[in-house]
Amino acid sequence: AQSVTQLDSHVSVSEGTPVLLRCNYSSSYSPSLFWYVQHPNKGLQLLLKYTSAATLVKGINGFEAEFKKSETSFHLTKPSAHMSDAAEYFCVVSDDRSQGNLIFGKGTKLSVKP
Amino acid sequence: EAGVAQSPRYKIIEKRQSVAFWCNPISGHATLYWYQQILGQGPKLLIQFQNNGVVDDSQLPKDRFSAERLKGVDSTLKIQPAKLEDSAVYLCASSPTGQETQYFGPGTRLLVL
Repeated sequence: AQSVTQLDSHVSVSEGTPVLLRCNYSSSYSPSLFWYVQHPNKGLQLLLKYTSAATLVKGINGFEAEFKKSETSFHLTKPSAHMSDAAEYFCVVSDDRSQGNLIFGKGTKLSVKP
Repeated sequence: EAGVAQSPRYKIIEKRQSVAFWCNPISGHATLYWYQQILGQGPKLLIQFQNNGVVDDSQLPKDRFSAERLKGVDSTLKIQPAKLEDSAVYLCASSPTGQETQYFGPGTRLLVL
């Protein structure tokens, strides 16, 4: 069965420093992987997705993620954090038993200090 | 393009009462999803519709939860009777047929007292 594990429940960085949010996945097949962001009192927004094309995926707002099959990882990075990046981030895998169903990790809360 | 609409945004009820949530997906999106997000956790799928048919409701607590999408457009999720543990954010999402990317609404925050 598919699953995702977000290794940190809370990450705190200073504005202008790099961001690393870690995610490991488990899947029997070649998975589709996503990162979603959730700002307070707002809906989930897609940051980026991996669907077996290039292993380095670029998303919105300067975020990117690298699919590493050997490590079963899909970590999210950004070179320089901005105050507006403070939010909850979810790593997500597509459930291959039922097309379209998404399995979410527990989330990582990103705090950005001035 | 208008996004996924949900109402109400907030609801407070007492246990054993009933409650209903409404969702209007993005125009033309055939697939509609309802998720439950408990505080501190990621969203969990409750039910998936393709047009007006149910594709997956394996995680829907059918003794108290029901959902319908009669005309294949908007959808209603109902809880009757509500329990304390139903306190959560209920998210609606939609996607075009054959696409994995889902577009989420702002959610309905439910508090059961």
